[in-house]
Amino acid sequence: AQSVTQLDSQVPVFEEAPVELRCNYSSSVSVYLFWYVQYPNQGLQLLLKYLSGSTLVESINGFEAEFNKSQTSFHLRKPSVHISDTAEYFCAVSTHTGFQKLVFGTGTRLLVSP
Amino acid sequence: EAGVTQSPTHLIKTRGQQATLRCSPISGHTSVYWYQQALGLGLQFLLWYDEGEERNRGNFPPRFSGRQFPNYSSELNVNALELEDSALYLCASSYSGTSGYEQYFGPGTRLTVT
Repeated sequence: AQSVTQLDSQVPVFEEAPVELRCNYSSSVSVYLFWYVQYPNQGLQLLLKYLSGSTLVESINGFEAEFNKSQTSFHLRKPSVHISDTAEYFCAVSTHTGFQKLVFGTGTRLLVSP
Repeated sequence: EAGVTQSPTHLIKTRGQQATLRCSPISGHTSVYWYQQALGLGLQFLLWYDEGEERNRGNFPPRFSGRQFPNYSSELNVNALELEDSALYLCASSYSGTSGYEQYFGPGTRLTVT
């Protein structure tokens, strides 16, 4: 079985500061990795994904995440956050085989203040 | 291209009643997934439908059921509602249930059981 750990339930940060949201996973088989973002009272939006290839993946709005197989991590980073980045961020995994059930972490609430 | 749609947005029921939630996938998507996002429990996989068949279910009792119609839309039924069924129910769709395909989420239906 797979599991995802997001140790930080809440991360407060000032606008224009860098941020890192941590995600570690556990799996006995190869996995795909995802970051989803949930704005207040909305559903989930896919932020970025790692399926294969380059271990550094980027989103269109400045976020990036790096797959580290040895540390079983997929941390999300942004060099300079905006107020509009305030949201809940979920890390998720699915396995390479079988059907694509997403296993989610408990989420990290990013709070950006001026 | 229209995204995943869900109805109703909000649903208030009393304990013991039945609730029906609906989901329309993105055009061309054949797989529909249901997730429950309950306070304190995070996002949990509920059900997966593909090509009209239930393919897999999460660790939920049989009173959670559903179906997928020929047009790939889906319905989630929750019978004998309990207070702890209060949650945001998210529907997602993808091109296939095969691992690696992105799941696109709808805005959710917030079910409140009183």
